[in-house]
Amino acid sequence: GEDVEQSLFLSVREGDSSVINCTYTDSSSTYLYWYKQEPGAGLQLLTYIFSNMDMKQDQRLTVLLNKKDKHLSLRIADTQTGDSAIYFCAESINTPLVFGKGTRLSVIA
Amino acid sequence: DTGVSQDPRHKITKRGQNVTFRCDPISEHNRLYWYRQTLGQGPEFLTYFQNEAQLEKSRLLSDRFSAERPKGSFSTLEIQRTEQGDSAMYLCASSGTGGADGYTFGSGTRLTVV
Repeated sequence: GEDVEQSLFLSVREGDSSVINCTYTDSSSTYLYWYKQEPGAGLQLLTYIFSNMDMKQDQRLTVLLNKKDKHLSLRIADTQTGDSAIYFCAESINTPLVFGKGTRLSVIA
Repeated sequence: DTGVSQDPRHKITKRGQNVTFRCDPISEHNRLYWYRQTLGQGPEFLTYFQNEAQLEKSRLLSDRFSAERPKGSFSTLEIQRTEQGDSAMYLCASSGTGGADGYTFGSGTRLTVV
């Protein structure tokens, strides 16, 4: 079955790197996504990785995928206060996307 | 195209009343999804459409919930005889049929049942 797990909270200092982790259960996932949600808002797609890739870099964001362990991570370099939000990992096997419960990132100035 | 639009942004209703929400997807997207999000949780899938056809419904979608997408463009989600447990953020998203672009979400409709 489909299940996506994330740690609930992460606190980092401004300028440090943040690493948000996610595990998923379905090895047939084709795409894995990271979404960001700010208070009172919908979800914003940050980045995605196709299941045959190990790593994807997009400006300050680096996504690492370990298919063997079914582990996905999102690294945010030089974390800023504007990065404070909830980050959701999501997997896609067939429609629809399945989301984790989200990791609340707090950035301390 | 201004993205996915949802209306209203907020709705307060009394228990037992019916409510209807509207979603206007990105015009080029043929798939439209409804999700529900409660405090501290991730979005939970309710139902989705490809064009006007409703292809999947979650077991979360009780008989009191109905969704339509009559012309394959906008969609409505109706909740009949609302209960306090229906209080949540209702999110709409749209996508094309490829996977790479993910889903584009609207800002949501926050429902409060009193």
